Parts: sequence; C-alpha cells; structure tokens
Amino acid sequence: GAGVSQSPRYKVAKRGQDVALRCDPISGHVSLFWYQQALGQGPEFLTYFQNEAQLDKSGLPSDRFFAERPEGSVSTLKIQRTQQEDSAVYLCASSLAPGYNEQFFGPGTRLTVL
Amino acid sequence: AQSVTQLDSQVPVFEEAPVELRCNYSSSVSVYLFWYVQYPNQGLQLLLKYLSGSTLVKGINGFEAEFNKSQTSFHLRKPSVHISDTAEYFCAVSDMILSGGYNKLIFGAGTRLAVHP
Repeated sequence: GAGVSQSPRYKVAKRGQDVALRCDPISGHVSLFWYQQALGQGPEFLTYFQNEAQLDKSGLPSDRFFAERPEGSVSTLKIQRTQQEDSAVYLCASSLAPGYNEQFFGPGTRLTVL
Repeated sequence: AQSVTQLDSQVPVFEEAPVELRCNYSSSVSVYLFWYVQYPNQGLQLLLKYLSGSTLVKGINGFEAEFNKSQTSFHLRKPSVHISDTAEYFCAVSDMILSGGYNKLIFGAGTRLAVHP
C-alpha cells in the first residue's frame, strides 16, 4: 500500500483481556516504531525495530506489553491482561532506513479498556 | 533527556488571521526538529522539519517555522489560516540513538488550533 496501515482502527476490551494490534509499514521500510498517545497528550515512544530485530524497548510501560516483527515487515503489539490505564491511541510509524529522519505514521488504533 | 514544551494547549483564531504556535525544546546538542499535524481520527502528517542550514523552514499548506538556537525555540507560523487548518499540532525533537543509528521522536503535548469563521 501507499502508506502505513493499522488494524483494527478501534478496539474495546474488558479489563484483563489480551489484545493484539497490527501494523503494516510502507513496503521496504527498514525501521518501525510504536508510540502510545494518551488522551490529550503527545505520542510517547514505546519500541523500535530495525528489520526483525527489536533494538529498543525502553518505552514499554510494563512486561504486559510485547511487540514483534518476525519477518521484518508486519509488526504486532500485544498487550496482556489489559488495564484501564492502557486506554490510548497506539500509533505505528515506519522509516526508510535507520538514519532517515522522516517517520510516516499510520492512523492509529484507539484502544478502550472498560 | 530531551524534552519539548508547547506553551499553548489551545489557540483560537479567526479565519484569515495570522497564527503562531510556540514550541521550546531542551537540548545541549545538535537537534532535528519537526512539526506534525493530526486531523481528527487520523495519524500524524509531517508539516515541516529542520535538519540544518537555513533557520527558516517552509512546509506544506503555507506553514513555516523558524529555528532559534539561542532561544531553543521552533515556533510555527502561518500568515493567514483557513477553517481547514483546524487540527492538533505537535512539535517534536529527534533523539538520535548513536549506538543504533536511529532517531526516536520526543513530542510535545500538542496545541489545538481552532479556526473560527
């Protein structure tokens, strides 16, 4: 596709459920980022992949958060035992190469935990 | 650690009036600076970026920003706004991770620009 796509666009989960959020980056983009955007806030960095390698997971808020990119393309962000504080928009961004400055963002997945 | 401060959470303005959205950053090293726009229920779209060179940067949709190193600012301006400019605007600084050769973005809290007829 022409841009970064994410699915689902909206997800409602009951507290304690596991969720999986998908990101399809721009074809050929080496770098992939996940950000979390709480209501009324700017996005905050969660994790970074270079191809299939997860080089930085310093922003993941707890061990309930897990991300993977097994074939260096599609990425999945998984949240186990969701809590209300996990409610946010989860944004995925891809970039052509590690030193490339522009990141292209997807539309995000809005997660609501009840 | 780097940080970004957007001084105004909301900016109301009338159509065709000029607007300035303020952004200050904290960094003691060379920085890359960005402005992104977010329309409702959409992702972030890059408006403009400063990497080096001329301190006045022109972007899409008639926006421009000026990098001021001494004041650590990167304010966004538009001489005449349209209703369609109503959106959330985010200033960001690039945090270069030297060991990995990649950049992660540090965002401000955002400024909601509301253009009224």
